[in-house]
Amino acid sequence: SQQGEEDPQALSIQEGENATMNCSYKTSINNLQWYRQNSGRGLVHLILIRSNEREKHSGRLRVTLDTSKKSSSLLITASRAADTASYFCATASLTDSWGKLQFGAGTQVVVTP
Amino acid sequence: DGGITQSPKYLFRKEGQNVTLSCEQNLNHDAMYWYRQDPGQGLRLIYYSQIVNDFQKGDIAEGYSVSREKKESFPLTVTSAQKNPTAFYLCASSNGQLINEQFFGPGTRLTVL
Repeated sequence: SQQGEEDPQALSIQEGENATMNCSYKTSINNLQWYRQNSGRGLVHLILIRSNEREKHSGRLRVTLDTSKKSSSLLITASRAADTASYFCATASLTDSWGKLQFGAGTQVVVTP
Repeated sequence: DGGITQSPKYLFRKEGQNVTLSCEQNLNHDAMYWYRQDPGQGLRLIYYSQIVNDFQKGDIAEGYSVSREKKESFPLTVTSAQKNPTAFYLCASSNGQLINEQFFGPGTRLTVL
């Protein structure tokens, strides 16, 4: 079963705008990770936030985590056409076995020049 | 050039045939994973292996089999018992600790004719 649910399912923006997507999950987690997938390719890890962290930055990416609401958000600032991809959140549960991740269905982002 | 490779990129199979997908990594990672991705959906875990000669079923293991005879290799066999095998298959590896990210291969697209 999928642990995370992303919102929105799809997002269309223009270059230079910010893109925000959300992820909700159900069980207690050790950490939450965000991945990007270009069409027909494998996933690329973007950022990992631990359960005791509330916010993390990496370049143009900002991730927040609210464990009381079991939710996370990914913000991409000053978007570029190259940011066009699907973005997935993945959770590492406290109760699951070593190293397993549960992925959401993803948010498809289209950035137009 | 370290990484994780999958072959072939595209695979066509007739109904009733078994087929094996290759996954190799030179990252010296202990853990390896197989996921299935259907159009517009997230990843679902098929099998995972934490160490050589050991593997566990994921969420959708029925109709699939794996082996882990070498640290570098984790082949997946899609058997004729898998009722709907047409999908995009992704292999990943990690050093196995709960905190860490997974590294993904480029994927194999399997089509059953």
